[in-house]
Amino acid sequence: AQSVAQPEDQVNVAEGNPLTVKCTYSVSGNPYLFWYVQYPNRGLQFLLKYITGDNLVKGSYGFEAEFNKSQTSFHLKKPSALVSDSALYFCAVRANTNAGKSTFGDGTTLTVKP
Amino acid sequence: SQTIHQWPATLVQPVGSPLSLECTVEGTSNPNLYWYRQAAGRGLQLLFYSVGIGQISSEVPQNLSASRPQDRQFILSSKKLLLSDSGFYLCAWSVRGAWTGELFFGEGSRLTVL
Repeated sequence: AQSVAQPEDQVNVAEGNPLTVKCTYSVSGNPYLFWYVQYPNRGLQFLLKYITGDNLVKGSYGFEAEFNKSQTSFHLKKPSALVSDSALYFCAVRANTNAGKSTFGDGTTLTVKP
Repeated sequence: SQTIHQWPATLVQPVGSPLSLECTVEGTSNPNLYWYRQAAGRGLQLLFYSVGIGQISSEVPQNLSASRPQDRQFILSSKKLLLSDSGFYLCAWSVRGAWTGELFFGEGSRLTVL
């Protein structure tokens, strides 16, 4: 079975400060890892993914994430937060042996205050 | 470019009534298609996925069913709704066979069962 944990329901940061949203995963086989963002009453939007290669991946809107195999983590980061980054963020994992099935974390609400 | 349409956007139905939510994808062929349910604005639960016409995999035993009558059409149905069927339903697609691919979500259908 595969699973994702987002240990923080809520993350609060001040505008201009760096932000981190945490994600750890459990999967059999090599993981494919994804981050998505959801604004209120909207569908999810893809931000970035790790498949293989460089552990630091860059995505949309200045976001990046670091894959750490030994810690089974894939934390989302941004050097300087914007108020418009406030949203619900989801981490997801898909095993390379589990075709078609992505498992999502419960989400982390990011609030960026001016 | 590819687009995904989902309707209706909101639906209020009495207990015991039937349900039909529809999802169509444009601009791509042979997509993988998915239905997710999001409860209380948090984590996503995979309900069904399909890799081709008439091919449906069910992830969770429940009161719902899915069908794929055409390559880019995915329908979520119920014969008799339960209160517990209330939630935010999200349709998504990914590139066929590319298990490294991200999901592209529709805008969601909010179902309230009274």
